Amino acid sequence: AQKVTQAQTEISVVEKEDVTLDCVYETRDTTYYLFWYKQPPSGELVFLIRRNSFDEQNEISGRYSWNFQKSTSSFNFTITASQVVDSAVYFCALRDPGYSSASKIIFGSGTRLSIRP
Amino acid sequence: KAGVTQTPRYLIKTRGQQVTLSCSPISGHRSVSWYQQTPGQGLQFLFEYFSETQRNKGNFPGRFSGRQFSNSRSEMNVSTLELGDSALYLCASSLGGTGIETQYFGPGTRLLVL
Repeated sequence: AQKVTQAQTEISVVEKEDVTLDCVYETRDTTYYLFWYKQPPSGELVFLIRRNSFDEQNEISGRYSWNFQKSTSSFNFTITASQVVDSAVYFCALRDPGYSSASKIIFGSGTRLSIRP
Repeated sequence: KAGVTQTPRYLIKTRGQQVTLSCSPISGHRSVSWYQQTPGQGLQFLFEYFSETQRNKGNFPGRFSGRQFSNSRSEMNVSTLELGDSALYLCASSLGGTGIETQYFGPGTRLLVL
């Protein structure tokens, strides 16, 4: 069975601190897709990144970086020099390739990140 | 390019009533998925439509149904509402051809059942 675990329910840091959000996943598939989404108070899930299982390169986008490690089934997300606008709930998600055109996406329970001024 | 739009944004209903929510995908996207988000259960997949056909379905009772039109717009319907149906209903669209494309979400419809 597939599973996504975000063990950190809530994190609170002071602005400008670095913060890492953990994501551990379980799947029996050798091909799969991992995602991070941000959900601000408005409710809309904002797509941040997608990583394919066959691509273990780490990704950096501005203050955001992602560390994908298949050996530990983790896909962690780091925000460098956090800002108040980063306050949101962050979701990690896993999508299987499916055996037809049907595949499901499984979300973790989310990590609520609060950045204090 | 306009994003995913959902209407209405907020809705209040009473138990036993039915409700229809609408979702317009990003132009060119042919797949629409629906999710229910509650504090207790988190984000749960309801169903996915592609080319007017339900391609995948989550574990929800038959009271939850949906459909997709030829222009890829989708509606979901919940009949005989229960208090536990109070949730944020999110719609996501993707290109849809392979079933594994990135999904882009709308702002959601917040449903309150009294």
